[in-house]
Amino acid sequence: DSGVTQTPKHLITATGQRVTLRCSPRSGDLSVYWYQQSLDQGLQFLIQYYNGEERAKGNILERFSAQQFPDLHSELNLSSLELGDSALYFCASSPEGALNTEAFFGQGTRLTVV
Amino acid sequence: GDSVTQMEGPVTLSEEAFLTINCTYTATGYPSLFWYVQYPGEGLQLLLKATKADDKGSNKGFEATYRKETTSFHLEKGSVQVSDSAVYFCALSDRGRDDKIIFGKGTRLHILP
Repeated sequence: DSGVTQTPKHLITATGQRVTLRCSPRSGDLSVYWYQQSLDQGLQFLIQYYNGEERAKGNILERFSAQQFPDLHSELNLSSLELGDSALYFCASSPEGALNTEAFFGQGTRLTVV
Repeated sequence: GDSVTQMEGPVTLSEEAFLTINCTYTATGYPSLFWYVQYPGEGLQLLLKATKADDKGSNKGFEATYRKETTSFHLEKGSVQVSDSAVYFCALSDRGRDDKIIFGKGTRLHILP
């Protein structure tokens, strides 16, 4: 158990809908990362938050947004969903950046858009 | 931009065989390098890391050496076990700008008993 909790584990929704994925980092970890894993694209970095503020942005679509709350949990919002958004979404946390400390990954949320 | 390239799988080996998974990287700064492993149905776990040139990371019999001159971080294990079957990801974090982790596409490893 990595200590990172992601909910829900599975999500099935229709095209055009909006969903929210939740991540609770390990106790004390200030950084939260979001990744999208698909078969053809591998593990794509979406966005990183550090202590409530956006720190780094990757290939995140405009239809996607995220935030980190004062209690350090994070949510990833996906809207106007398309079939191609079906993927495994991972959250990871680390005490500071990934520089000298490892990132701990949750078990992921599997999103299926039908 | 920064990127990681690793050998495509799947790689299938017999138990006790020698394993090498190649990984090369491109980065403008001085990255830290990582190998993560993903077992079926689970999230990624850090396997080993190296933070500067010539460092060797090791864990559970796996090793990788940070080679700046060849921009490589190949993963090796002398004798694989069935329990090593998993997907292995090479990754980097570039200290120069931010510290997001960039992953390769992963290499699926099958070990036959």
